Amino acid sequence: DVVLTQTPSTLSATIGQSVSISCRSSQSLLDSAGNTYLYWYLQRPGQSPQLLIYLVSNLGSGVPNRFSGSGSGTDFTLKISGVEAEDLGVYYCMQATHAPLTFGSGTKLEIK
Amino acid sequence: QVKLLQSGAALVKPGDSVKMSCKASGYTFTDYIIHWVKQSHGKSLEWIGYINPYSGGTNYNEKFKSKATLTVDKSSSTAYMEFSRLTSEDSAIYYCARVGIKGFDYWGQGVMVTVSS
Repeated sequence: DVVLTQTPSTLSATIGQSVSISCRSSQSLLDSAGNTYLYWYLQRPGQSPQLLIYLVSNLGSGVPNRFSGSGSGTDFTLKISGVEAEDLGVYYCMQATHAPLTFGSGTKLEIK
Repeated sequence: QVKLLQSGAALVKPGDSVKMSCKASGYTFTDYIIHWVKQSHGKSLEWIGYINPYSGGTNYNEKFKSKATLTVDKSSSTAYMEFSRLTSEDSAIYYCARVGIKGFDYWGQGVMVTVSS
């Protein structure tokens, strides 16, 4: 199975600070058709995960544009440009290029 | 609006089975594949498998192939997951999620399953 390694595991930020989360894959997530099925989700405390970014860099519906995704192959990054209080929670990357679909171990964002 | 409403929490005994539901509304049920995901307490997410409500076709994570059975009832727009031969390792929250072009775009609220004698 593809292993997604997220760093850091915990992140502490002040309001307005910009932060980045890394997701490194054990295999390239580029498929033979040229697609990269890498997604980012946020799980707020006590809630279900919600989609932030799809296909590496595309913003989900209703997601604020302070969130952005980048990367290719095996290295991917989620950036939050100006953290807000509502951004606290656990961020997960997920890959769907290789079966079985797998998730990263999560990055917990705390607000100072 | 799109909603996935899951059944309530379950307390079950070791060795028993549990069947949980995921009722879809706000869209055409047969147009979108439904996935199921496990979240053990305080841990990350594990993909269990998916079902195509239109065809009934399924695809399972090998890890859960002998544990989970996915079905649908098109007449009620409801997806089901049955988990069998439960052990303490199966205590977790289970989510259903709809997959669209953008990935898992809608999630159910989750079902907490506790396995205890």
